[in-house]
Amino acid sequence: DAGVTQSPTHLIKTRGQHVTLRCSPISGHKSVSWYQQVLGQGPQFIFQYYEKEERGRGNFPDRFSARQFPNYSSELNVNALLLGDSALYLCASSPIGGGTDTQYFGPGTRLTVL
Amino acid sequence: AQRVTQPEKLLSVFKGAPVELKCNYSYSGSPELFWYVQYSRQRLQLLLRHISRESIKGFTADLNKGETSFHLKKPFAQEEDSAMYYCALSSGGSNYKLTFGKGTLLTVNP
Repeated sequence: DAGVTQSPTHLIKTRGQHVTLRCSPISGHKSVSWYQQVLGQGPQFIFQYYEKEERGRGNFPDRFSARQFPNYSSELNVNALLLGDSALYLCASSPIGGGTDTQYFGPGTRLTVL
Repeated sequence: AQRVTQPEKLLSVFKGAPVELKCNYSYSGSPELFWYVQYSRQRLQLLLRHISRESIKGFTADLNKGETSFHLKKPFAQEEDSAMYYCALSSGGSNYKLTFGKGTLLTVNP
């Protein structure tokens, strides 16, 4: 198993544009979470999805949205990009998304907003 | 609100010396605590979690609810331990959300 995969690896956008990031979880994992990691900071929770339902949402504006597909892959969408959205976006999968689950992280997508 | 504090941004020790990475948390309920590690050019991965009470790569961490701490310790540091270490907290239950500290970069010198 390749582990959690994310695409693209890097992305450059300009302010006001829209971006879609993709994540494929480990086979058999039904929960996907998204995190934003700004340089010099720890990852910050954005969303958790389990069985295609949003289970949790962090303190992010409505410009951020996500969804999970029947095959458990997920997309993170960000509208009206701001310079401050430049960050590493991490996806993590876990079997059931419970509080004691181990989360397995992907390599991340580096987003640069100019 | 959940909060995790890692007071040291950088920690440098010599090979064979003991190492302690500090982590303090703030949470009103009963938390689940984790240590994640990121080696150079690798993805973030779980090192250990308090409910397992196991030692991984010689590292241990004890949850001290009185001091709200979950410090990571190793008696004899190795060069391959050099990495970024993140302490993280989960509120548990079905609403899984990891709150991370800012991380400590550990450098083990030969």
